[in-house]
Amino acid sequence: GEDVEQSLFLSVREGDSSVINCTYTDSSSTYLYWYKQEPGAGLQLLTYIFSNMDMKQDQRLTVLLNKKDKHLSLRIADTQTGDSAIYFCAESIIGDDKIIFGKGTRLHILP
Amino acid sequence: DTAVSQTPKYLVTQMGNDKSIKCEQNLGHDTMYWYKQDSKKFLKIMFSYNNKELIINETVPNRFSPKSPDKAHLNLHINSLELGDSAVYFCASSQKGAQGYTFGSGTRLTVV
Repeated sequence: GEDVEQSLFLSVREGDSSVINCTYTDSSSTYLYWYKQEPGAGLQLLTYIFSNMDMKQDQRLTVLLNKKDKHLSLRIADTQTGDSAIYFCAESIIGDDKIIFGKGTRLHILP
Repeated sequence: DTAVSQTPKYLVTQMGNDKSIKCEQNLGHDTMYWYKQDSKKFLKIMFSYNNKELIINETVPNRFSPKSPDKAHLNLHINSLELGDSAVYFCASSQKGAQGYTFGSGTRLTVV
């Protein structure tokens, strides 16, 4: 079945790197996504990676995909207070029309 | 111009009432969705419509009925509201060939 797992909480000091991890079960995934949800707001697509890639970088964000282990990570360099949010890992499945979301990782920034 | 807009933003109502939430997208997308986010922030898909046709109907009670008058609109009607229906409901849209969804800002439904 389809399942996306991620830890629920992460605390990081301002200026350090944050690494949010995610595992998924469906090997026929096509795209894997990271969404950001700030308090009281909707979900904002941060970045995505196609399942035949292993890395994607976009400014402070680096996505790493280990397809063999079905492991996806999001690294945020130089974490700022504005990065405080819930980060959702998600996957879309070949032939399916829906995106399956993980339970979200709440990133807390320490001063 | 808001890409995916939902109304109302907040809805407080009594148990047993019937209510509707509206969603409109001006992106020209073919597919629209309703997701429910519970108090623990877990997101679950409820429905998906492609060009006014129901594509996905997850295990949602019959009290929930989506309606898509055209491909730019997907409304959600809920009958006989229950306490457990309290949640944030997100509308989203997507286009084949493009990646990810565009989400609305959510409707916070509180049933008292």
